[in-house]
Parts: sequence; C-alpha cells; structure tokens
Amino acid sequence: GAVVSQHPSRVICKSGTSVKIECRSLDFQATTMFWYRQFPKQSLMLMATSNEGSKATYEQGVEKDKFLINHASLTLSTLTVTSAHPEDSSFYICSARQNLPGGLGRDTQYFGPGTRLTVL
Amino acid sequence: KQEVTQIPAALSVPEGENLVLNCSFTDSAIYNLQWFRQDPGKGLTSLLLIQSSQREQTSGRLNASLDKSSGRSTLYIAASQPGDSATYLCAVTQGGSEKLVFGKGTKLTVNP
Repeated sequence: GAVVSQHPSRVICKSGTSVKIECRSLDFQATTMFWYRQFPKQSLMLMATSNEGSKATYEQGVEKDKFLINHASLTLSTLTVTSAHPEDSSFYICSARQNLPGGLGRDTQYFGPGTRLTVL
Repeated sequence: KQEVTQIPAALSVPEGENLVLNCSFTDSAIYNLQWFRQDPGKGLTSLLLIQSSQREQTSGRLNASLDKSSGRSTLYIAASQPGDSATYLCAVTQGGSEKLVFGKGTKLTVNP
C-alpha cells in the first residue's frame, strides 16, 4: 500500500530558530501534497496545498513567509517553520495524493505519521 | 464555509458493545465523506470513504452511512474491541475542491 513518511517525528527547538519537516511518499509519486496542523483536541486544519514544481497554495490566515513549503520532486515536500515561537508548537501532518492514470486515486490522501513540534 | 461536527466528543463502552459515532456537516454540496482513525500521537488511517452518490460503505465490523441531504453520517462499530480504542475523525471533501474539512473527532475507549 501507499506509504507516506515524515521526518523528524518529534522536534524540540528554541524560540527564534527555524525547523524543517520532510514529507516523503515512499512507493508512489505525488504531484500534490497537503500540510495540516492539529492543536490538542482540535480538528486537523489544512495549512497549504503543495504542488510539485510550483508555488504552494496557502489557506486563509496562514502566513506563507512563516511556513515555507517546497515541493521539488514528486516524492518530497518540505515545510519550514521560520523563526518559530511557542505558539507554533503543534502536531504537523502531511498527506499525499497518488498520481494514477485517468485521474484515479484523486479521492485518496495518504497521511504521514505526523511531526510533534515543541518550541521552547 | 463548511463546518463538520462530531458527537459525542468522547465515548467509553465495555468490550463487545455495538456503538454509533455521529458526524454532521453544514454544506451538503460534498464530493465524498471519509472516516479516519487516529491513534495517540500518530497519523491518520483511512477507514471508509463514501462517495456523495452512495448511501453506505462496509468494511468488516465497520459500517458508515451517509445522508447527504440532511448533512449527516454515522459510523457503526459492531462488537467493539479494546483495539478499537482511538480517535475517529470524520472529513468531507467539498464539491469542486480537493480539500478535506475535518471534525474534531470522537475519542473512543473500549474497556476490557
């Protein structure tokens, strides 16, 4: 089955530093990847849609200069939290949509295991 | 703006009991609805996907129904087991969009 990995699984950093999170589709190609943020006891909230070879599309209220997304290949998207602050502490989850002929698979997003970010 | 609500927020049942989780959404113009399972500190596992034209989907002990016109879905779990303990999330894909809108989830605990 389609597998998505995230690295690191957990990161603790000091306020003001930048943190990069990787999202990889291990056994399939993904033109589109999604980045979500989940606060405790809250819904997953879509932050941005990452498209290979083009700029990411950010949701309303998400600062594109603070959350930098790069989708340089069909199997890798990265999210960089720049100048992180304690309020950025959260669980970040990515998902990837598999490319299949004829648009098959567009319904299915495969989710990574998540990255727990703690900013001190 | 689509909003997804899940009731109850938490549920505790004894092993072997049948149970129902509820999900409601405000905009009926959806493309599909999905139920996911999330274990603590983990990612999501897709359980069932119901297209907007479908009424229900079944997988093993799980059965999900969809009433698009009333904006409701239920997830029925038969003969619950301790291994079913997790948070169950409902999400809809809006028509014409690839974005998922999630509910806050129902935390299920099945006691041995």
